[in-house]
Amino acid sequence: DVVMTQTPVSLSVSLGGQTSISCRSSQSLVHSDGNTYLYWYLQKPGQSPQLLIYKVSNRFSGVPDRFSGSGSGTDFTLKISRVEPEDLGVYYCYQGTHYPRTFGGGTKLELK
Amino acid sequence: QVQLQQSGAELAKPGSSVKISCKASGYTFTSYYISWIKQTTGQGLEYIGYINTGSGGTNYNEKFKGKATLTVDKSSSTAFMQLSSLTPDDSAVYYCARGYGLSYWGQGVMVTVSS
Repeated sequence: DVVMTQTPVSLSVSLGGQTSISCRSSQSLVHSDGNTYLYWYLQKPGQSPQLLIYKVSNRFSGVPDRFSGSGSGTDFTLKISRVEPEDLGVYYCYQGTHYPRTFGGGTKLELK
Repeated sequence: QVQLQQSGAELAKPGSSVKISCKASGYTFTSYYISWIKQTTGQGLEYIGYINTGSGGTNYNEKFKGKATLTVDKSSSTAFMQLSSLTPDDSAVYYCARGYGLSYWGQGVMVTVSS
C-alpha cells in the first residue's frame, strides 16, 4: 500500500497568519493517465471531512483562495494564508492513484 | 444541493452483521461512484472500497474483503454497506462519499460492537 506521511502532526497558528502542511507518498502519485490524484480534506470538530483541494492544486467549489495546493510526484504541500477560526481542525491528504486508496495520518491545526 | 444522508448509529453484538445506508440527493445518482471510508481514533481514515452506482460493480480494499459488502438500489438512489462477522475492531465511524475524489461526504454512522 502507498504510505502517506503528513508533517507536522500538529500545528499552532495565529489568526491571520500563514502555515503549511506537508504530505509525502511512498510512491509517485502520477497516474498512467498523466493526472496526479492527490487531494486535501479538512475535518472540523464533530463534522465529516470536506474536500478542499483536488488533483494537487485545484480548489473545490466554494473553497476560499486562502487555500492552495502544490507539489508533484511524491511531495505535496497545502498552504493556508490569513488563517481564520473556521480553518481549525484536522487536515488529511489522500491519494486516489493507487489501490488501495490511502490517507495521511492527519495534521491538527490549532490556535496559538 | 448535493447531500448524502446516512442511516443512524448501530449497536451490534460480536458475530452479527449490520447494514448501513447512504441516500444521495441533489445530483444524478448513477453519474458518480460511492466510496466507503472507516474512521477510528487508532487507525485514522481507511478506504474500504467503492461501488459503481450504474453497474453495481465493486472494488474492495483487500483488508475489507469478506468484511464489507457494497450494494446499491438505483431506484431509491441509495448505497448500502453490510459489515459481517462483527468484532470490537469493527467499532468505528463509517462514511460514504461521492466519487473518486470523495467530493461530498455523508454525516457518518457510528457502529459500536459490544456484547
